[in-house]
Amino acid sequence: QSALTQPASVSGSPGQSITISCTGTSSDVGGYNYVSWYQQHPGKVPQLIIYDVTKRPSGVSSRFSGSKSGNTASLTISGLQAEDEADYHCCSYAGTSTFMVFGGGTKLTVL
Amino acid sequence: EVQLVESGGGLVQRGGSLRLSCAASGFTFSNHAMSWVRQAPGKGLEWVSVISGRGGSMYHADSVKGRFTISRDNSKNTLFLQMNSLRAEDTAVYYCAQCDTMMVMINWGRGTLVTVSS
Repeated sequence: QSALTQPASVSGSPGQSITISCTGTSSDVGGYNYVSWYQQHPGKVPQLIIYDVTKRPSGVSSRFSGSKSGNTASLTISGLQAEDEADYHCCSYAGTSTFMVFGGGTKLTVL
Repeated sequence: EVQLVESGGGLVQRGGSLRLSCAASGFTFSNHAMSWVRQAPGKGLEWVSVISGRGGSMYHADSVKGRFTISRDNSKNTLFLQMNSLRAEDTAVYYCAQCDTMMVMINWGRGTLVTVSS
């Protein structure tokens, strides 16, 4: 059982927007602004797409955005494209004892 | 171009040991924290360990504390993960990752598969 809770799957049609939630506790997501998101296509290596809750690395599409409210972080993908079909993993800093925790991952299907 | 190449994975019996290596190039290795993250077959990512750029700070997941040790050799641009007392649930692809801060993994290697037989 993962420390952070994500929906197992979400889906959307091309052009639509979808949001993936990542729920933790006040000891991780809610306690720090160190939530990151990773995209992983089938058989491929994870790629950083969001860090520090809202920041986007250079080269990542502006269609990806992050936010947080309380103990829940969210990843929103706007203008859904076929290439966005992948697994998405959230990750949060959780203090010096536990340090880092991941969610179980969410499979995005573009219909 | 950043390159991270893991090695040392393989098949090991329960209770055995393995030492993973990650050879880094394309960046100033000692300036970056480095992490290990694993992924069991068909499962999500699990953070394992992180070490600061100079090696003075290290953290491990509760699931591996006391069994795994992360280390680095900055003179050889290489990251290590010593894994002892291996269990079936340690079976996974192990990725090394270059970190920006210790909490953000900006580049990932292709991984090395560790299989623990029971």
